[in-house]
Amino acid sequence: EVQLLESGGGLVQPGGSLRLSCAASGFIFKNYAMNWVRQAPGKGLEWVSGLSHTGGSTYYADSVKGRFTISRDNSKNTLYLEMNSLRVEDTAVYYCAKDRRVYEPYYFDYWGQGALVTVSS
Amino acid sequence: EVVLTQSPGTLSLSPGERATLSCRASRTVITDYLAWYQQKPGQAPRLLIYDASRRATGIPDRFSGSGSGADFTLTISRLEPEDFAVYYCQQYGSSPGTFGQGTKLEI
Repeated sequence: EVQLLESGGGLVQPGGSLRLSCAASGFIFKNYAMNWVRQAPGKGLEWVSGLSHTGGSTYYADSVKGRFTISRDNSKNTLYLEMNSLRVEDTAVYYCAKDRRVYEPYYFDYWGQGALVTVSS
Repeated sequence: EVVLTQSPGTLSLSPGERATLSCRASRTVITDYLAWYQQKPGQAPRLLIYDASRRATGIPDRFSGSGSGADFTLTISRLEPEDFAVYYCQQYGSSPGTFGQGTKLEI
């Protein structure tokens, strides 16, 4: 059974930093691209960032480019999202999502339960 | 980026009825790379349909996807109580992939 478990969410002040982790199990992690998708309170879904199976190629939404960094450790089956210079508008539930392909973002066949990030003073 | 517009915003139906949800793209979705997701309150989204018309693993056959180019439809043939949720379409033919704003299906 595929499982994705996010951690690292919490309350942070504007301008602060936070790192999310996503522990994966139930599939061969190193064979798939991975992504982060977020959902602001009461709003729809927004793709944030994606990463190829080796970590060699990264993709970002314009809204987070230059502030967020996606990475992975295939030896630990774990995906990360380093978030810097956080803004109030980054407040959202952040979902880890398994991609169906190897390289660039495609569609997402499994999702974690999400980690809430609140940016507020 | 490709903008997806879903309609209606809210659809009110009863169990046993047929639901038709629309997703229109601002330009052609390359290779009909379009997916549908279901999200219930407090839960993560679940993949229903990919490549416009292929059902994901374990999805009941009352869910079907159709369409091509810039116009796509999700049909639920006979609504079950557990189908009342929010539905999102997503295109992944052009980078960045984008989601529609969602359709809420309510009883």
